[in-house]
Amino acid sequence: RKEVEQDPGPFNVPEGATVAFNCTYSNSASQSFFWYRQDCRKEPKLLMSVYSSGNEDGRFTAQLNRASQYISLLIRDSKLSDSATYLCVVTNYGQNFVFGPGTRLSVLP
Amino acid sequence: NAGVTQTPKFQVLKTGQSMTLQCAQDMNHEYMSWYRQDPGMGLRLIHYSVGAGITDQGEVPNGYNVSRSTTEDFPLRLLSAAPSQTSVYFCASSSSSTPGNTIYFGEGSWLTVV
Repeated sequence: RKEVEQDPGPFNVPEGATVAFNCTYSNSASQSFFWYRQDCRKEPKLLMSVYSSGNEDGRFTAQLNRASQYISLLIRDSKLSDSATYLCVVTNYGQNFVFGPGTRLSVLP
Repeated sequence: NAGVTQTPKFQVLKTGQSMTLQCAQDMNHEYMSWYRQDPGMGLRLIHYSVGAGITDQGEVPNGYNVSRSTTEDFPLRLLSAAPSQTSVYFCASSSSSTPGNTIYFGEGSWLTVV
């Protein structure tokens, strides 16, 4: 079993739609949690950190459930510019970042 | 505002050739790492370093060597290139003292082994 698993995708949604991505992690000792965004042929970039209390950044909402070892990302009012691959990332100890395989999103006009 | 710089961006190698991917960061991060990214596989850790003079293996280290003589530089050497090493390589750096404890990536190096 992979250490971090994500919805396989791809997700094809119309502009304005709400879309949710799911991620599970296997190591209960995981300490920090993130969503990264990766555009085609580009490096991953931080979208947002994920906190136990849940957090929101504009149209993006991230949730963490430590008991279920589950992380989610909700995107509201999807824009064409949201088209990208979304990577779920956890750290297990120190600076050991573990990446999920990613979920590709295409927002269609 | 350089951040993480890696070179070359594109490289074609013949099987058996060796080469070095260069990586430098100017953020004084203690932690540096190399990942490869293959379709459907996500980012897989090759080697990492927690400080100058200290390196360790990641998930897929075979066929690669690293060294860390300075805080800034972390080169990745392919000893004898194989077609299975065709991939996109990302260098990254991070620090426990960075706000949010995030990881920063270079722009990637596209390597093709023929």
